Amino acid sequence: QVQLVQSGAEVKKPGASVKVSCKASGYTFTSYGISWVRQAPGQGLEWMGWISAYNGNTNYAQKLQGRVTMTTDTSTSTAYMELRSLRSDDTAVYYCARDWTTVTSVCGYWGQGTLVTVSS
Amino acid sequence: DIQMTQSPSSLSASVGDRVTITCRASQGISNYLAWYQQKPGKVPKLLIYAASTLQSGVPSRFSGSGSGTDFTLTISSLQPEDVATYYCQKYNSAPPGLTFGGGTKVEIK
Repeated sequence: QVQLVQSGAEVKKPGASVKVSCKASGYTFTSYGISWVRQAPGQGLEWMGWISAYNGNTNYAQKLQGRVTMTTDTSTSTAYMELRSLRSDDTAVYYCARDWTTVTSVCGYWGQGTLVTVSS
Repeated sequence: DIQMTQSPSSLSASVGDRVTITCRASQGISNYLAWYQQKPGKVPKLLIYAASTLQSGVPSRFSGSGSGTDFTLTISSLQPEDVATYYCQKYNSAPPGLTFGGGTKVEIK
């Protein structure tokens, strides 16, 4: 079965960077894209960007352009999301999510979420 | 960028009621619209994609409709286990760009 297992909670200071991992199993990693979605406490879902696990092509939300980088390691079937210059309003649960099908980019399978807390 | 607007932001209904949530896109998106359910403290779950295609295992009391700019999620008979926040999301390909609506919190009266 498809599983996405994310790295553990992080506490960071303002201005620092965080890198969250998402290890995939149960399917051919390079056949599907991965989106990253975040949710601030008590708030709605915010799409951060998407990466093709096939060729590494990315599309980032305009709001995060220049601060976010998404990568994949096909040898370990792992996707990564790095966010730099962290601010307090980056405090959120960060999710990775796999495309539902090879041609449908909706978030069909989700990781368990990683809480990132930004605090001085 | 295309904006997605959901209404209402919250609602309270009785068990057995018919519940309707609307989602409006700022530009036409054909049928590239998905609905998600997020129960309190849980990971979001895909309910519907392509505006009206129910994901496998989703109860048939859920349905989606619409095309272009106006979309609807309907729960035909609200059940206690449907208490959740529901989000619409537009999606497209080449390259994928997704935008969520603000969410609709559904509670039992």
